[in-house]
Amino acid sequence: GIQVEQSPPDLILQEGANSTLRCNFSDSVNNLQWFHQNPWGQLINLFYIPSGTKQNGRLSATTVATERYSLLYISSSQTTDSGVYFCAAKGNRDDKIIFGKGTRLHILP
Amino acid sequence: DTEVTQTPKHLVMGMTNKKSLKCEQHMGHRAMYWYKQKAKKPPELMFVYSYEKLSINESVPSRFSPECPNSSLLNLHLHALQPEDSALYLCASSQGTVARGRSEAFFGQGTRLTVV
Repeated sequence: GIQVEQSPPDLILQEGANSTLRCNFSDSVNNLQWFHQNPWGQLINLFYIPSGTKQNGRLSATTVATERYSLLYISSSQTTDSGVYFCAAKGNRDDKIIFGKGTRLHILP
Repeated sequence: DTEVTQTPKHLVMGMTNKKSLKCEQHMGHRAMYWYKQKAKKPPELMFVYSYEKLSINESVPSRFSPECPNSSLLNLHLHALQPEDSALYLCASSQGTVARGRSEAFFGQGTRLTVV
């Protein structure tokens, strides 16, 4: 099945800094999503982005499907951005949605 | 409405108990999922239902028994669990691979299960 790798595993930044999170996937995808998991465990949908570029406020994402990677950009980080960011992908062969191991982001005040 | 509702939010059960987790969605999605998430780990796929039929079982022990009574509901029946089964259990739904449009998945808030 599809494999998903995220980097870096941990990221510590000062408030106001920008960050880039990366997701590599091993096969063609028809679904690529970015989630933020809050401290209570809720997975919050950030982007559905199997290809192309999207922006939502300070967050934006780009997926280059032909090169099998996606990037999540966070600009002007705030302490409330802290938490775990997951990338999840679904290939074209079955309904499995597979998660990467996540990037744990710490924004320091 | 993009809501997936899971009940209960918290559950404590003994190793000899039988309990069920419930999941409901009204988005017309035809694929529904159960995931297990241990602390500081990513969600791990357990089961997938497609059009109310079990399509994927990721070699999950038989003490976990999924059920899809209709297209909106998904249950996970629990019996004779072990303390190591304590985890956050997440339900999700999506349109599935047969959909030509978006196949975005939406997750419930999860059930935090403790086995004592």
